[in-house]
Amino acid sequence: KQEVTQIPAALSVPEGENLVLNCSFTDSAIYNLQWFRQDPGKGLTSLLLIQSSQREQTSGRLNASLDKSSGRSTLYIAASQPGDSATYLCAVRDNYGQNFVFGPGTRLSVLP
Amino acid sequence: EAGVAQSPRYKIIEKRQSVAFWCNPISGHATLYWYQQILGQGPKLLIQFQNNGVVDDSQLPKDRFSAERLKGVDSTLKIQPAKLEDSAVYLCATGGRKHSGANVLTFGAGSRLTVL
Repeated sequence: KQEVTQIPAALSVPEGENLVLNCSFTDSAIYNLQWFRQDPGKGLTSLLLIQSSQREQTSGRLNASLDKSSGRSTLYIAASQPGDSATYLCAVRDNYGQNFVFGPGTRLSVLP
Repeated sequence: EAGVAQSPRYKIIEKRQSVAFWCNPISGHATLYWYQQILGQGPKLLIQFQNNGVVDDSQLPKDRFSAERLKGVDSTLKIQPAKLEDSAVYLCATGGRKHSGANVLTFGAGSRLTVL
């Protein structure tokens, strides 16, 4: 059974810092991995999707990498801004079905 | 494209009462998911539909939860009778392919349930 963990659970940084969020999964037989952002009281917004055959994806100040063999993905946020404050979740889709298994999220606060 | 629509956004009920949530997916998206998100946790899958057939309902508490997807489009999730531990946000999501061929998960804003 796939399990997804995220470290750290919460992170507070000053504006302008570069930061890394971590996601680990136990079963490397994945189809893809998706990073989401969730603002308080809102649904999830997709940020980046990495196929199992890819190593990384970039969108603006965001870069997500995937190391399938070690069961890890990282989300790199460059030059953080207060508007980046939110909870960031990763979700893994396995090869056996179409289900996505979510991590618990990392709550990010970027201080002005 | 229009997003995933959910209603109601908020619902407060007493335990043992019933409640229903509605989801209208993105047009053309065959796969529809209902997730339960308890405060401070990641979403947990309740049920997955492919068109109007159930693909996975292994984590749905079938003694009190039910879901259907009529004509492979809209879906409803019902809880009867509700328990205190059902207080959560119920998220509907649909899976569709981007031009890259990737299966991207798109969420609605969610329905927040409080059971007193």
